[in-house]
Amino acid sequence: NAGVMQNPRHLVRRRGQEARLRCSPMKGHSHVYWYRQLPEEGLKFMVYLQKENIIDESGMPKERFSAEFPKEGPSILRIQQVVRGDSAAYFCASSPTVLETQYFGPGTRLLVL
Amino acid sequence: SQQGEEDPQALSIQEGENATMNCSYKTSINNLQWYRQNSGRGLVHLILIRSNEREKHSGRLRVTLDTSKKSSSLLITASRAADTASYFCATEIKAAGNKLTFGGGTRVLVKP
Repeated sequence: NAGVMQNPRHLVRRRGQEARLRCSPMKGHSHVYWYRQLPEEGLKFMVYLQKENIIDESGMPKERFSAEFPKEGPSILRIQQVVRGDSAAYFCASSPTVLETQYFGPGTRLLVL
Repeated sequence: SQQGEEDPQALSIQEGENATMNCSYKTSINNLQWYRQNSGRGLVHLILIRSNEREKHSGRLRVTLDTSKKSSSLLITASRAADTASYFCATEIKAAGNKLTFGGGTRVLVKP
């Protein structure tokens, strides 16, 4: 059973471009979470999704950020018109149901030039 | 302090010694999870302890939870150089759905 997969592992974008981060949860997991980590800090929750539904997006900036988890395919975190402050590591986690262990992927490290 | 705040922020020990780190939180939780992160890498899940549990063990790891004090501790016994990493506690809060709230982490250095 493969773990949580994220790609790309590293992403470099210039200011104003779009960043698209992908996350494939563990097999059998229908709950996906996105977190952001700035250097030397802990992770901050962004959004929680189940298949085709956003359950909690309270940690996600209202502008430029969006997330989806379609019926088929990976979950996508999309950042439009990136700025330097978006540079961070973005981690995806999945769990089989609520109140269970969240398993994390290796992260996508976004660098905005 | 924030929900899920670790103490100390940094810890340096010799190989073979025990390492203890603490986590404090503010509100009622469903569970508390400890993770390890090596520099520049992803998070590895260590232990999940539920609000009705007091202690759990996994290999050289021992986690305690005191809900009356709203605190948890992670003990690593007989540490190894490979235990060098940052350790984070994360709380799943009753009133906040299923998201995890992380502390700033404890950076552990185990010297050979």
